[in-house]
Amino acid sequence: DAGVTQSPTHLIKTRGQQVTLRCSPKSGHDTVSWYQQALGQGPQFIFQYYEEEERQRGNFPDRFSGHQFPNYSSELNVNALLLGDSALYLCASIGGWGTDTQYFGPGTRLTVL
Amino acid sequence: QQQVKQSPQSLIVQKGGISIINCAYENTAFDYFPWYQQFPGKGPALLIAIRPDVSEKKEGRFTISFNKSAKQFSLHIMDSQPGDSATYFCAAWSGTSYGKLTFGQGTILTVHP
Repeated sequence: DAGVTQSPTHLIKTRGQQVTLRCSPKSGHDTVSWYQQALGQGPQFIFQYYEEEERQRGNFPDRFSGHQFPNYSSELNVNALLLGDSALYLCASIGGWGTDTQYFGPGTRLTVL
Repeated sequence: QQQVKQSPQSLIVQKGGISIINCAYENTAFDYFPWYQQFPGKGPALLIAIRPDVSEKKEGRFTISFNKSAKQFSLHIMDSQPGDSATYFCAAWSGTSYGKLTFGQGTILTVHP
């Protein structure tokens, strides 16, 4: 049973560019959350997708957007990259709406130069 | 009110000793408290979790103690091993926030052989 997978593993971009990160949830999970983890910090909630809609959003600007596909996989898009966007981006999947246990993927390390 | 405060920031323990990490929360709506373990370059992995209707939960060498009146909970790692060296995060979740986990700042645990 595959766990949560994310791609790419690492990514280097320059300021002002746009980036797309991808996530496939754990088999049988239909809900995906995205988190940003700055170096030395705990993960910060960006948003959650369920039934292809954004259901919950954290304190992140509109430059951060997402999408969920019918197969429950998800994308995180960040526009107009800033140096401060450099972080580990984590995807977590949940077994269903309202379920509490979240399983995290390995993350995508984004470096903005 | 959404914060979860974690201490200490770092902890050094000898092999066989007890590691204790503490967390405090403010939001009384939180009703699920997981602990995650994270190794360098990896995503957080669920270690153990507790709900506020019990005061203690034990799984192998890992125990969560929960004090609802004080709004505090802690992780105890008995017989600590060098392989336990990692960053530990407490987190909290409420049924009304669905996918949003609120994390503590993390504790870097080092277990010396």
